[in-house]
Order: sequence, then structure tokens, then C-alpha cells
Amino acid sequence: AQSVTQLGSHVSVSEGALVLLRCNYSSSVPPYLFWYVQYPNQGLQLLLKYTSAATLVKGINGFEAEFKKSETSFHLTKPSAHMSDAAEYFCAVSNYGGSQGNLIFGKGTKLSVKP
Amino acid sequence: DSGVTQTPKHLITATGQRVTLRCSPRSGDLSVYWYQQSLDQGLQFLIQYYNGEERAKGNILERFSAQQFPDLHSELNLSSLELGDSALYFCASSVGAWGEQYFGPGTRLTVT
Repeated sequence: AQSVTQLGSHVSVSEGALVLLRCNYSSSVPPYLFWYVQYPNQGLQLLLKYTSAATLVKGINGFEAEFKKSETSFHLTKPSAHMSDAAEYFCAVSNYGGSQGNLIFGKGTKLSVKP
Repeated sequence: DSGVTQTPKHLITATGQRVTLRCSPRSGDLSVYWYQQSLDQGLQFLIQYYNGEERAKGNILERFSAQQFPDLHSELNLSSLELGDSALYFCASSVGAWGEQYFGPGTRLTVT
């Protein structure tokens, strides 16, 4: 069975500081991994995806994530936080070619950005 | 704008009632997924349809059912509603049976 663990339900950073949101996954098959962002009262927006090509994945809004198989991790980073980055971030796993295409989500990390 | 539309945006109803949530996927997408988001359970997968056929089931209650129509839009039917069914219900779509999914804005259901 696949699962996702996001370390830290709340992360607070200062504007201009590094953003690091942690995600560890468990999967018995090669995973597809995703990061989504949810702004208040909105749906989920795809930030980036890993689908077994390059291990360093670049997404929208300056975010990137690195797939590390040995650590079963897919942490999300951004060099310099903006106030507009304040939102909830979800890591998700799926497997390609299986009987189900659904995403399995972590519990989310709420990012606050202080001025 | 993801291209996935959901109606209604908000729904308030009483316990024991039945409601229908509607979703239109992005143009060209064949898969539709339904998810429930609540504070205590987080984001939970309910059901997936692919090109009109049920493909996968998750934590969907027997009181809930869904279908995907020939024009690929989908409906989620929730019956005998309970207070605990209050949640955000999201629809998502993807081109194929797997891969990245694009989410609609959600329907907020409040059961009183």
C-alpha cells in the first residue's frame, strides 16, 4: 500500500527565507509524486510532478522538489519565500499503470510567511 | 482556472436528505475522480471513473454513489445525509487512467 507522510503540520518562515516542506512516501512500486497547493477557499493547484524522469523537478512559482529514492523523500523547496506563498501544501503519491489512478495525499503543511 | 467545473459551490441541507454534486472535467480528459476533504480525515479518495466506467473505489460509503455520463461529466449522489458528511467535495480529472490530476473549485456541503 502507498502512503505519504508530511512532517510538520505548520511551518512559518520570514519573507525572503528558504522554504522547505518535507514529504516522505511509501510505495512498493515506482511512484509518481506530486505537490499541490491550496489557497483558502479554493481547489488544489498542481505545483509540480515527478514521473520517473529527472530527479530534480521544477514547478510553478519558483518551487522545486528533489526525488531521493534512497531516502524515500520528495521535499519541496523555494529559495526565497513571498507573502503570496502562504497556503496549505499537499504531497501526493500515485502509481502508474496500476489498477487505480487515484492520488494518496499527506495531511498537508500550512505555510505561513511573516513580513 | 483548472478547466474543471463543479456545481453548486455551496450546499446546505438537512440530515436525512439527498443531494447531487456535478462535475465537468477538462476538455479531453477521460478520467474523473471524487475526493472528500474534511478537517479530521484530510483528503480522501472516493471513486474514479474512466471513460464512463467505474475504475476504482476508495473510502466511499454505501450511501454515496456516482456515475459518469457519455459526455464525460460526472455526478456524485449523497443520500441519507448525516452531520459527519459535511465536508468539501472535490472533483478532479486527468487525460488517462493515471497521471496528474486537475482539481475543480469544490462543493462545500453543510448538513444541519
